[in-house]
Amino acid sequence: QQQVKQSPQSLIVQKGGISIINCAYENTAFDYFPWYQQFPGKGPALLIAIRPDVSEKKEGRFTISFNKSAKQFSLHIMDSQPGDSATYFCAARGTSGSRLTFGEGTQLTVNP
Amino acid sequence: NAGVTQTPKFQVLKTGQSMTLQCAQDMNHEYMSWYRQDPGMGLRLIHYSVGAGITDQGEVPNGYNVSRSTTEDFPLRLLSAAPSQTSVYFCASSYLLARDTQYFGPGTRLTVL
Repeated sequence: QQQVKQSPQSLIVQKGGISIINCAYENTAFDYFPWYQQFPGKGPALLIAIRPDVSEKKEGRFTISFNKSAKQFSLHIMDSQPGDSATYFCAARGTSGSRLTFGEGTQLTVNP
Repeated sequence: NAGVTQTPKFQVLKTGQSMTLQCAQDMNHEYMSWYRQDPGMGLRLIHYSVGAGITDQGEVPNGYNVSRSTTEDFPLRLLSAAPSQTSVYFCASSYLLARDTQYFGPGTRLTVL
């Protein structure tokens, strides 16, 4: 049972464009939502994270938008660059422990 | 700090063979975990540990064993390898609190023939 659903599976964006990746979750006990970035041949690394008491968090060109009532959250990458080409994973964690549930991943390609 | 290290980077096994994937961290993290990554399926939790001597099953534990004798090390054992275990395996660690960042190792690419 996939508790976190991520879309799209792949995304191609032109340099300077906006990349948008969406995630939806089912478990209302989730209360921490990180995004991880993974480059080829490397392990995932934390990019940005949000808690449900805020609707948006911005760090540089990366923004998480959070809709608690819809149980959805999304990653926006402004002014996308070829160096942003990577696989992005959303995730969610509940209050009872440190276990992360990951989405399926989105392979982002930013063309120059 | 070396962070989270994993060995080997690549491994090819024949069906039925056993092996141990090694994971070590030097950040004094209490929480360690193993994930497998398969195309279109994200990262799925295999086993995890909240401290030395304590382990528990994750989402896909069948065919794998773990132990945690020290804070630093968390090896993953494949008892009798099957082609379905062909995957990329990642070890991760974090401080125990639920809000802490998980740090991932570089991964082990395993092929079972």
